[in-house]
Amino acid sequence: AQKITQTQPGMFVQEKEAVTLDCTYDTSDPSYGLFWYKQPSSGEMIFLIYQGSYDQQNATEGRYSLNFQKARKSANLVISASQLGDSAMYFCAMREVSHTGNQFYFGTGTSLTVIP
Amino acid sequence: EAGVTQFPSHSVIEKGQTVTLRCDPISGHDNLYWYRRVMGKEIKFLLHFVKESKQDESGMPNNRFLAERTGGTYSTLKVQPAELEDSGVYFCASSPLAGGPKLETQYFGPGTRLLVL
Repeated sequence: AQKITQTQPGMFVQEKEAVTLDCTYDTSDPSYGLFWYKQPSSGEMIFLIYQGSYDQQNATEGRYSLNFQKARKSANLVISASQLGDSAMYFCAMREVSHTGNQFYFGTGTSLTVIP
Repeated sequence: EAGVTQFPSHSVIEKGQTVTLRCDPISGHDNLYWYRRVMGKEIKFLLHFVKESKQDESGMPNNRFLAERTGGTYSTLKVQPAELEDSGVYFCASSPLAGGPKLETQYFGPGTRLLVL
């Protein structure tokens, strides 16, 4: 079964608007972490934001926020005031604490295009 | 501080040839990971080093893949002999050893794009 599901292969947003990228996850581990990465056309994977399963508040990092709904097992990324430089591939990832390894499970990614 | 670096950035080889990918983690990071993304699919875990030891190699596809991390610094991933289905982007990531319950962030390199013809 897929651990991370990103159902939006491509998204478009108008510059200066907000956009939400969806991510749902599947785990029976009570302790886990959720991560979002951005991959621009240059190829590097840039860490954006982290949410721990026991964190009481949604994580925020500048224009990025994570809408964490634990009961629904969703961890959507919200980008506010989109900029042209936000055009990139976005990956959601998860790591389970009790798993013996440290591996991340990734989704298939969402390609975001910001329109001027 | 320098990030994770990978070499080469691109590699095009013929089926049956050998290719060696290199990863230099962030200085001081004991954890080193290899991942692979085949076109259009999710990024998948290959293996994990803690210093020079293989902690988890459950994601290695077969014995044509050999990873090493001599001295616990840089790592190499050798594919021998390469097959068509090995084409993809190979990412390396590193992280420090976590000192507490917080899950450490993995920092990724830019990847090596491998094309096997």
